[in-house]
Amino acid sequence: AQTVTQSQPEMSVQEAETVTLSCTYDTSESDYYLFWYKQPPSRQMILVIRQEAYKQQNATENRFSVNFQKAAKSFSLKISDSQLGDAAMYFCAYGHQGGSEKLVFGKGTKLTVNP
Amino acid sequence: DARVTQTPRDKVTEMGQEVTMRCQPILGHNTVFWYRQTMMQGLELLAYFRNRAPLDDSGMPKDRFSAEMPDATLATLKIQPSEPRDSAVYFCASARTEYNEQFFGPGTRLTVL
Repeated sequence: AQTVTQSQPEMSVQEAETVTLSCTYDTSESDYYLFWYKQPPSRQMILVIRQEAYKQQNATENRFSVNFQKAAKSFSLKISDSQLGDAAMYFCAYGHQGGSEKLVFGKGTKLTVNP
Repeated sequence: DARVTQTPRDKVTEMGQEVTMRCQPILGHNTVFWYRQTMMQGLELLAYFRNRAPLDDSGMPKDRFSAEMPDATLATLKIQPSEPRDSAVYFCASARTEYNEQFFGPGTRLTVL
């Protein structure tokens, strides 16, 4: 079974600085998707970014980018120019063959943004 | 702005009572998921449906939990009888097969006393 590990239960960053959240996963599949979800105190799960395993190019969405290392089974999230609104729980998730299949989540990283 | 809706948003009940949570997926989405979030276990899949047929319910305690899709616009998750260990946030999510993204509802926070 696939597993997702987030080794940093908590992280903090100064406003306007850059922070990187780590995620590793274990799978024997070759075709899959990886996701980062944000969960603010409102508890709504919000998709931040996704990466298709077959794509070598790292995904980018505005201030959010990933470093996808397929051989190392590593999928880190970099947040640039951190804003107060970025404070939330961040979950890394593994999707079998795509986002319309079941997701396996890591335990999450709580990000605090200091003004 | 299409979104997944869930009712109720919060539910407090006594141990032994029946609890029903409802989810309306986004119109046109053919896949519906139920996830449970607790502090100890994190987010875990309970069950999911495609075109209203159950695909995987291995994460669901079979003796007290049941999930159904009476029609394409409604998914239900029922707990009978409820126990304090069922206290959690229950998320519904929906997806369309061609699109690689799940959309989550706001969740139902269940507290069983």
